Order: sequence, then structure tokens, then C-alpha cells
Amino acid sequence: EAEVAQSPRYKITEKSQAVAFWCDPISGHATLYWYRQILGQGPELLVQFQDESVVDDSQLPKDRFSAERLKGVDSTLKIQPAELGDSAMYLCASSLTGLLNGYTFGSGTRLTVV
Amino acid sequence: GQQVMQIPQYQHVQEGEDFTTYCNSSTTLSNIQWYKQRPGGHPVFLIQLVKSGEVKKQKRLTFQFGEAKKNSSLHITATQTTDVGTYFCAPGAGNNRKLIWGLGTSLAVNP
Repeated sequence: EAEVAQSPRYKITEKSQAVAFWCDPISGHATLYWYRQILGQGPELLVQFQDESVVDDSQLPKDRFSAERLKGVDSTLKIQPAELGDSAMYLCASSLTGLLNGYTFGSGTRLTVV
Repeated sequence: GQQVMQIPQYQHVQEGEDFTTYCNSSTTLSNIQWYKQRPGGHPVFLIQLVKSGEVKKQKRLTFQFGEAKKNSSLHITATQTTDVGTYFCAPGAGNNRKLIWGLGTSLAVNP
């Protein structure tokens, strides 16, 4: 069964450092999502791509977070500088175009900022 | 903005008991998806409901969409320890371009 690949699986970084996460969606999935999930809460959408274009980044803290999907395939989410409050699970998901399709999530990157 | 309330937030059952989680919205929903997230894992898509009054079954899981399309439920018959996890309902929003996620219902099953 096709999977969404994410790396790294775990990341520990010091505050004020830069950190980057990578996601490779399922082949053919034009829509890609980055979510942040704090323990005990539901996923919070950070950014949504349709192919290489951002269609929703309203919840992305743009002063420190950036995301790109240059060729409309894999994607990178960056935080610079990291803050203690950024510690969370960062999940990538992909889906076929259109909401009437379930999302496939990757295993996530567990970020700890110390 | 559109919000969804899921109840209960936590549920603890004995293995073999039934379990139900409810998802309620103040606005009419066009569709709703259900996901399961195991402890330490990532959300896994279970099902999507689109039609008013729709009922879908997956083995011991029964999903319903209310007639008014303002609520939905997930019922698990005879829970097993493998059912442990958090169940999220996620209605479509923003002209169906994204999902709305609540806190989910965390299910614990005593063997």
C-alpha cells in the first residue's frame, strides 16, 4: 500500500536554531497538507498545497515558518528560529484533488525544542 | 468559523462492551470523514459520509450521518483492545477544500 514518507522521524533542536522537515506524498496526489498536532489535541492545519501552489496558509506563523513544494511533488516545512512552543508532532498528509477523498498521513516528525 | 463538538472526550470500557462517539455541528455539513489515531501514531482514514441519513458499516464499526446532516456518530460493537485510540470526526469546510478537526474521543479498552 502506498505511503506518505516523512523525515526525520524525530528531531531535537535548541531554541533559536533552524529546523526542516521533508515530506514525499503518494504519487499522483496533487493536494498536500502540513499539520501540527500537540499531544491531546486534534491536528491543526498549517499549510495546504494544490500542486505547487499554496491554497491555504492562514494558520501558518509566517514570521518563523515557511513551506514550499517547488515541483508540485515533495515538500519542505521550515522553522527558523525554533521556539520552545513549537514542540509538537508535524504531520504531512496528501489526497487526491477534491475533498471527497480521504487523507493519507505520514508517520510524522516529533519535534522537541530545548 | 465552523466548529465541531465531539463527545465524549474520553471513554473507558471493558473489552466486549459497545462504544459510541458523537459529532455535533451547529451548521449543516456537506460531508464528514472519520479517522482513527492509535497512541503514538498518525491519523488513519476510516470512512466518508456524504448523504443525509447515510449508514455505513465496517466489520464492528457503524457510521451514521444525521438526517439534517448536522451530526454523525461512530458505534463500535464488542470493543477489542485493538480499538484503543482517538477517533476524530472531520467535517469538510471552506467550500470543501479542507477538514475541520476537533479534539476527538479517546477510547481506552480494559482487557
